[in-house]
Amino acid sequence: GENVEQHPSTLSVQEGDSAVIKCTYSDSASNYFPWYKQELGKGPQLIIDIRSNVGEKKDQRIAVTLNKTAKHFSLHITETQPEDSAVYFCAAIFGSSNTGKLIFGQGTTLQVKP
Amino acid sequence: DAGVIQSPRHEVTEMGQEVTLRCKPISGHDYLFWYRQTMMRGLELLIYFNNNVPIDDSGMPEDRFSAKMPNASFSTLKIQPSEPRDSAVYFCASSLRVAFTDTQYFGPGTRLTVL
Repeated sequence: GENVEQHPSTLSVQEGDSAVIKCTYSDSASNYFPWYKQELGKGPQLIIDIRSNVGEKKDQRIAVTLNKTAKHFSLHITETQPEDSAVYFCAAIFGSSNTGKLIFGQGTTLQVKP
Repeated sequence: DAGVIQSPRHEVTEMGQEVTLRCKPISGHDYLFWYRQTMMRGLELLIYFNNNVPIDDSGMPEDRFSAKMPNASFSTLKIQPSEPRDSAVYFCASSLRVAFTDTQYFGPGTRLTVL
């Protein structure tokens, strides 16, 4: 079935350390993998995404890696800051771009301690 | 642009009452989505529209739920009658040209509590 597993559910790091969140997906045909950040009381906001034709994408302190063979992808945040504290969701597309759906992981609560 | 606008931000109602949630998508966006977020089930897609036409409502949990999009700038999600298990945060989102590989912009959500 359509499933995205996300780990860990909570993650606490010291400011300046790196944080890694991992996701696995069930459909080998999935080809689009966004990551969303949700701050308290707000809606999710896209922070980075990756498509299946690349293995890694970076945007300043954030990077995402994709291993299609193993069907898993990861979010890496370097030099974490207190404002990185939030809930992070991975997602994978199941079906086509316009008639499929995004399936979200259960979320990871990241706490960055000053 | 003001982003996706949702109202009300909080709604408390009693079981059996009708609840209407409202959404204004970003101007010019072709797609509008309604999601529900709970601790148990996470973020779930309920229904989405393309150019005001419902495309997939397979995520709508029961016939008590209905959604409409009478024009490009307004959508409603209605629950009638409401039940305590409907308590959740409901998000509206919109995307520009492609449903699931264009960025989905989420509104701030409506926190619904059914007593």
